[in-house]
Amino acid sequence: KAGVTQTPRYLIKTRGQQVTLSCSPISGHRSVSWYQQTPGQGLQFLFEYFSETQRNKGNFPGRFSGRQFSNSRSEMNVSTLELGDSALYLCASSLVPSSYNEQFFGPGTRLTVL
Amino acid sequence: DAKTTQPPSMDCAEGRAANLPCNHSTISGNEYVYWYRQIHSQGPQYIIHGLKNNETNEMASLIITEDRKSSTLILPHATLRDTAVYYCIVRGRENRDDKIIFGKGTRLHILP
Repeated sequence: KAGVTQTPRYLIKTRGQQVTLSCSPISGHRSVSWYQQTPGQGLQFLFEYFSETQRNKGNFPGRFSGRQFSNSRSEMNVSTLELGDSALYLCASSLVPSSYNEQFFGPGTRLTVL
Repeated sequence: DAKTTQPPSMDCAEGRAANLPCNHSTISGNEYVYWYRQIHSQGPQYIIHGLKNNETNEMASLIITEDRKSSTLILPHATLRDTAVYYCIVRGRENRDDKIIFGKGTRLHILP
């Protein structure tokens, strides 16, 4: 069974631009969570989606948004990029929401904002 | 802010038990303690979780103090492949506004 896939793996953008990251969960998994990882702040929760609905949201500004499609694939969007948005963005999937012990992470998308 | 505190780094000799501490003094009654690890260039991997009883699985053991204000993850026979950053977090099982923060974790170095 294929794991969680994220595209692209690496991305370079400039301040003020917007970016869209994609996540394909493990087949059969319907819950997708997004995390931001930076050296200074560690791993922080962004949001969780299940059945195309956002169930949970972390403490991030409105520039960070996401959505989930009917096939469970998810995208997250960051608008008006800032230098501080440079990070590794991780996606995790699970069968049902909040199944933290059955949550599998993808390899991440490394975003660099110049 | 993370609800847990962990030492930034630890060393352990290969073959010995690695004991990783975590303080979570503000844990509430319905929150579980979860441990993940992240090996360089990979996503985090779930290890174990518990509420108040000690837990053991094929990867590790989790010892939670009686007052639940701290816990210890034990890797019984550490190998070089256990070199990773280990994250201890507390989270509820079902909490709509669970602002989940992993914190900075403990960087475990396994020494040959």
